[in-house]
Amino acid sequence: KNQVEQSPQSLIILEGKNCTLQCNYTVSPFSNLRWYKQDTGRGPVSLTIMTFSENTKSNGRYTATLDADTKQSSLHITASQLSDSASYICVVSRSGNQFYFGTGTSLTVIP
Amino acid sequence: DADVTQTPRNRITKTGKRIMLECSQTKGHDRMYWYRQDPGLGLRLIYYSFDVKDINKGEISDGYSVSRQAQAKFSLSLESAIPNQTALYFCATRPAVGYGYTFGSGTRLTVV
Repeated sequence: KNQVEQSPQSLIILEGKNCTLQCNYTVSPFSNLRWYKQDTGRGPVSLTIMTFSENTKSNGRYTATLDADTKQSSLHITASQLSDSASYICVVSRSGNQFYFGTGTSLTVIP
Repeated sequence: DADVTQTPRNRITKTGKRIMLECSQTKGHDRMYWYRQDPGLGLRLIYYSFDVKDINKGEISDGYSVSRQAQAKFSLSLESAIPNQTALYFCATRPAVGYGYTFGSGTRLTVV
């Protein structure tokens, strides 16, 4: 069964600290993996996209990693800011343009 | 202007009423989608359309219908709203290949 699981479900960190969000998937055949950021009351916005051959991709303070062998991805946020408070959704694409969404990690950054 | 615009942003309706959620996009993409988001369940696909003449059911299409009025417009209807359709609804668009979704800001629907 094609599934995407994210952990933790929720996370609270102090401003300035780093954190890592996890995404494990069983989607096959794999096409690509995206991380989205969803602010409260808004639609998801793409942060990074990774294909099979990419191990790491950065977007400012966000760094995504992909291990296609273990079917795991992580999103690392460096020096967190209050504006990082949001839900982060992992979306895995299967060949044939099918998309599978994780349930998201809710991140709260407190001052 | 936003790439994907959804109206209304918020709506409260009564059980049994018909309601339409509207979506328009300026990205020029052929593919449009309606998703529903519930706490703890993530985004679930309701309907999708690859062009004006192509409409497909997603995983949770029961109780919903859609209309693709033009390349840029894709509306979602609840023929007879029920309380368990209370959710956040997102419209999205994407090109045929290559890039990911562009989502609208969502419609928060409450059925009482």
